[in-house]
Amino acid sequence: GDSVTQMEGPVTLSEEAFLTINCTYTATGYPSLFWYVQYPGEGLQLLLKATKADDKGSNKGFEATYRKETTSFHLEKGSVQVSDSAVYFCALVNTGFQKLVFGTGTRLLVSP
Amino acid sequence: DAGITQSPRHKVTETGTPVTLRCHQTENHRYMYWYRQDPGHGLRLIHYSYGVKDTDKGEVSDGYSVSRSKTEDFLLTLESATSSQTSVYFCAISEEDRGGKTQYFGPGTRLLVL
Repeated sequence: GDSVTQMEGPVTLSEEAFLTINCTYTATGYPSLFWYVQYPGEGLQLLLKATKADDKGSNKGFEATYRKETTSFHLEKGSVQVSDSAVYFCALVNTGFQKLVFGTGTRLLVSP
Repeated sequence: DAGITQSPRHKVTETGTPVTLRCHQTENHRYMYWYRQDPGHGLRLIHYSYGVKDTDKGEVSDGYSVSRSKTEDFLLTLESATSSQTSVYFCAISEEDRGGKTQYFGPGTRLLVL
């Protein structure tokens, strides 16, 4: 079945550092890909998405490119802030289906 | 904000008691979902609904039942709560736009089963 694999955390960075959180997926067909963010004590918020190969999703300085050849959707940000500290989830939904498949999440800790 | 509320937001209950969690949406979305979130597992789908009285099981449905008698409400029931059902429960809706189907989540219900 479909699955999503994320890098283990926590990822610990200093403010203004470059961020990469790796995400790879296994799926049949042509899934849509998502990054969700969860701040402490809150629900999940959609961060960005991409629906087809080579699409780039972007929001709040975060970017991710849908790479079908490497089945990846890595999350990047050029300069992180303390306020970016959260748990980030990569997810996919396959064409014609309504079920999101999540990775296990990666905790990001940014220190001043 | 997809207009999703969950109630209660926090609940403590005892093993063997029935528990019902409510998800309410205000925007007439057809698809609604219940997930549970546990450390090391991400979010896992319990049940989902594709219309009034139309529901189906997810990957971790044992011990849970759902009902949807109105478009706006999706109820999750733990018939006889167990400690393994201590978790954070999230409701979601699916919204379709030009980019396809996207799920939006409620604020969550934190359940502790003693």
